Amino acid sequence: RKEVEQDPGPFNVPEGATVAFNCTYSNSASQSFFWYRQDCRKEPKLLMSVYSSGNEDGRFTAQLNRASQYISLLIRDSKLSDSATYLCVVNTMDSNYQLIWGAGTKLIIKP
Amino acid sequence: EAQVTQNPRYLITVTGKKLTVTCSQNMNHEYMSWYRQDPGLGLRQIYYSMNVEVTDKGDVPEGYKVSRKEKRNFPLILESPSPNQTSLYFCASSLLTGLAGGPYEQYFGPGTRLTVT
Repeated sequence: RKEVEQDPGPFNVPEGATVAFNCTYSNSASQSFFWYRQDCRKEPKLLMSVYSSGNEDGRFTAQLNRASQYISLLIRDSKLSDSATYLCVVNTMDSNYQLIWGAGTKLIIKP
Repeated sequence: EAQVTQNPRYLITVTGKKLTVTCSQNMNHEYMSWYRQDPGLGLRQIYYSMNVEVTDKGDVPEGYKVSRKEKRNFPLILESPSPNQTSLYFCASSLLTGLAGGPYEQYFGPGTRLTVT
């Protein structure tokens, strides 16, 4: 089993819809969690950090479920510009400062 | 402008010819890292460094070397490249101010597309 797993998609979603991704992690000692966005052939960029209490930034909401060992990303009122690959990242303190990346979920927003 | 630079951006080389990809950051970040990205596999960490003269292996260190003699630079060295090292490479840096002292937001360079024939 991979340490960090994501549904690869692609998710084809009409503009304006709400879409949610999950990312599961295997190491219960994991401490830090992040969502990154990557456009085709470009470098990843931080979208959100994920806190225990959950956090929201405009149309984006991130949540952490430690009991079930997954993090989620919700995008409301999706825009064409949201089309990208979304990567989840986990920092497991067992591995000191090594970051474990999911393979990414591809999202395509259609007009 | 705060940034991470990588050079070269594109490189085509032959098996066995030693090469170095440079990475430099101007944000005084402690943590630097090299990744490779292959279709379907996502980002895999090659090596990382928490500070000058401190480096550790990531998931896929075989065939690579790194050094961290200065805080701003973290070159990636392929002593004898092979075709299975054909990939898209990213360098990244961050502060070590995340939870429990771990790396926080990663700032990435633009990537180096390497082809080994």
